[in-house]
Amino acid sequence: QQQVKQSPQSLIVQKGGISIINCAYENTAFDYFPWYQQFPGKGPALLIAIRPDVSEKKEGRFTISFNKSAKQFSLHIMDSQPGDSATYFCAARNTNAGKSTFGDGTTLTVKP
Amino acid sequence: NAGVMQNPRHLVRRRGQEARLRCSPMKGHSHVYWYRQLPEEGLKFMVYLQKENIIDESGMPKERFSAEFPKEGPSILRIQQVVRGDSAAYFCASTITGNTGELFFGEGSRLTVL
Repeated sequence: QQQVKQSPQSLIVQKGGISIINCAYENTAFDYFPWYQQFPGKGPALLIAIRPDVSEKKEGRFTISFNKSAKQFSLHIMDSQPGDSATYFCAARNTNAGKSTFGDGTTLTVKP
Repeated sequence: NAGVMQNPRHLVRRRGQEARLRCSPMKGHSHVYWYRQLPEEGLKFMVYLQKENIIDESGMPKERFSAEFPKEGPSILRIQQVVRGDSAAYFCASTITGNTGELFFGEGSRLTVL
């Protein structure tokens, strides 16, 4: 049973465009929803995160939109840049249970 | 460097040998998580440990795999009698407490089984 489903698997965007990655979860006990960015050969690093008491969080060019009733959340990257080319993972965590469950990742390529 | 330290970064083993992967969490962090990443796939949870305790090992294969986090020293992920299917990147992450959100990841240990 895959608890966090992520789409698309890969995404190609022109420089300056908007990149949108979507995730859906099943477990209503999840209470923390982060997005991680991973460059080749490196470990994942936290990009931005949201808790279910808000519907949107913005940090610079990165925005998380959260729909609690639909059990979905998405990452929007505005004004996408070639340096944003990486693999992005959504995750969900029940902070009382410890572990985080990850989506399968989206490989983003931003063309110059 | 106060980040999560993993070693070795690259490890090559022949089938049947043992692999030991080490992880030193960030300073002040007492919770460690191990994840496995197969090529072109996501991060799969393996085990969650506190000092001297295994909290959740629901993602660990039942045989050949074990993990520990002793009172002193790094956390160790041990794979006995490795097979080709064990070839993957193994990531360690740490947190200050078990109920804080952010995981801090190391750069991973890439195991290749010949």
